Amino acid sequence: EAGVAQSPRYKIIEKRQSVAFWCNPISGHATLYWYQQILGQGPKLLIQFQNNGVVDDSQLPKDRFSAERLKGVDSTLKIQPAKLEDSAVYLCASSFDFGSSYNEQFFGPGTRLTVL
Amino acid sequence: QKEVEQNSGPLSVPEGAIASLNCTYSDRGSQSFFWYRQYSGKSPELIMSIYSNGDKEDGRFTAQLNKASQYVSLLIRDSQPSDSATYLCAWGGDSSYKLIFGSGTRLLVRP
Repeated sequence: EAGVAQSPRYKIIEKRQSVAFWCNPISGHATLYWYQQILGQGPKLLIQFQNNGVVDDSQLPKDRFSAERLKGVDSTLKIQPAKLEDSAVYLCASSFDFGSSYNEQFFGPGTRLTVL
Repeated sequence: QKEVEQNSGPLSVPEGAIASLNCTYSDRGSQSFFWYRQYSGKSPELIMSIYSNGDKEDGRFTAQLNKASQYVSLLIRDSQPSDSATYLCAWGGDSSYKLIFGSGTRLLVRP
């Protein structure tokens, strides 16, 4: 079974530029998550989708971050404009089920973003 | 504010010893707990999940949950240098079933 795919793996941009990340979840997984992991910290949830609907985006900085999951499969996370503090690893995860606390999440390889 | 607390470490143990990693959480209503292993420069990898009080064993790993004390731990028996990584504790089970992660404990296994 193929895992969660993400691209690009690395991205370097200057502040105020825009950037987009792509995620393809494990086949059959209804729920998709985007996390931000700053060095030395645990992942922090940015947004959670069930199929193509948003379940939780309470920690997404909506003035600069946006995400979509068209057709309930692939997802794109965008930052526009980027700030220095956005430098982090952006992780995509997916899980089979929603509505259950027994909801194991599996992570992709992540995209390491550096904002100069 | 729901939180997960972990000692950042590093926890250093000799090869072959038992490594004990601990985590406390703030919400008595939490239902599910997960341990992830993260190697430097890599993404988190799920190694254990536990939902009921008591112990759950999987190979060299044992997860222990005590909901009354709001405490979850991970024991790694016969530690190997390849176990050297950061171990992230996470809990889920609120209305959106999102995971809340601790900041991780760095484990070093000395050959």
